[in-house]
Amino acid sequence: QKEVEQNSGPLSVPEGAIASLNCTYSDRGSQSFFWYRQYSGKSPELIMSIYSNGDKEDGRFTAQLNKASQYVSLLIRDSQPSDSATYLCAVNDGGSNYKLTFGKGTLLTVNP
Amino acid sequence: NAGVMQNPRHLVRRRGQEARLRCSPMKGHSHVYWYRQLPEEGLKFMVYLQKENIIDESGMPKERFSAEFPKEGPSILRIQQVVRGDSAAYFCASSPALAGGYEQYFGPGTRLTVT
Repeated sequence: QKEVEQNSGPLSVPEGAIASLNCTYSDRGSQSFFWYRQYSGKSPELIMSIYSNGDKEDGRFTAQLNKASQYVSLLIRDSQPSDSATYLCAVNDGGSNYKLTFGKGTLLTVNP
Repeated sequence: NAGVMQNPRHLVRRRGQEARLRCSPMKGHSHVYWYRQLPEEGLKFMVYLQKENIIDESGMPKERFSAEFPKEGPSILRIQQVVRGDSAAYFCASSPALAGGYEQYFGPGTRLTVT
C-alpha cells in the first residue's frame, strides 16, 4: 500500500510568520510531487509542483524535495489569514506516473 | 470559463437510484481523472481516461461504478444503485498531454448525497 503521510494539524501560526508543512511518502519510485490547497467545502487548487531534489520557489511558497529521505515540504513565508486552508501533499505512483496518492492534509490556521 | 467544469455541483439521490456526474476538462486538456473524497479521508484515485479510452480504472469499485470519456461531450462517472456509502465529494481533474509531469487541475466537484 503506497502511503503519503502528513501531520493533520491543526498548525497555527501568527500572521507574517513562516508556516512549514511536511510530507513523507513510501513509494521510492515516485518522481512527481505536488502541493494543493483546499479551502473548506471547495476543490483542491494546485499551488506547487516539484520534480527534482532541492528547493523550488514561487512567490511566498517554497517547495523542498529530498528523494533519499522520501520527504517533501512546503514553506509559506509571510503567512496571511487567507492562507488558512488544508494543504494536501500528492505524490505520483512510481509505476504509473499519472496516478496521484494524496495525504489526508494538514489544516493551517493563520491568526491575524 | 477556461477551468475544469463539473455538474451538477450537488446531487441528491435515494438509495437504489442512479447518479450521473459530468466533467468537461480544461481547454486543451485531453486527460481526465476522477477522484473521490470521503468525509475525514483523503482524495482517492478512481479512474483515468483519455478520449474514448479507459487507461486505468484500478481505483474504481468493480460493481456499480463506470466511467467514460466519449469522442464528443463530457466525461461521465456513473454510479448505479447508489448506497449511503457512496455519499462523498467526487472531483474531476484534467491535465494536458505532457511528456513528463502530470499537473492535474481540479474542477469544483459534485457533492453526492444518498438518502
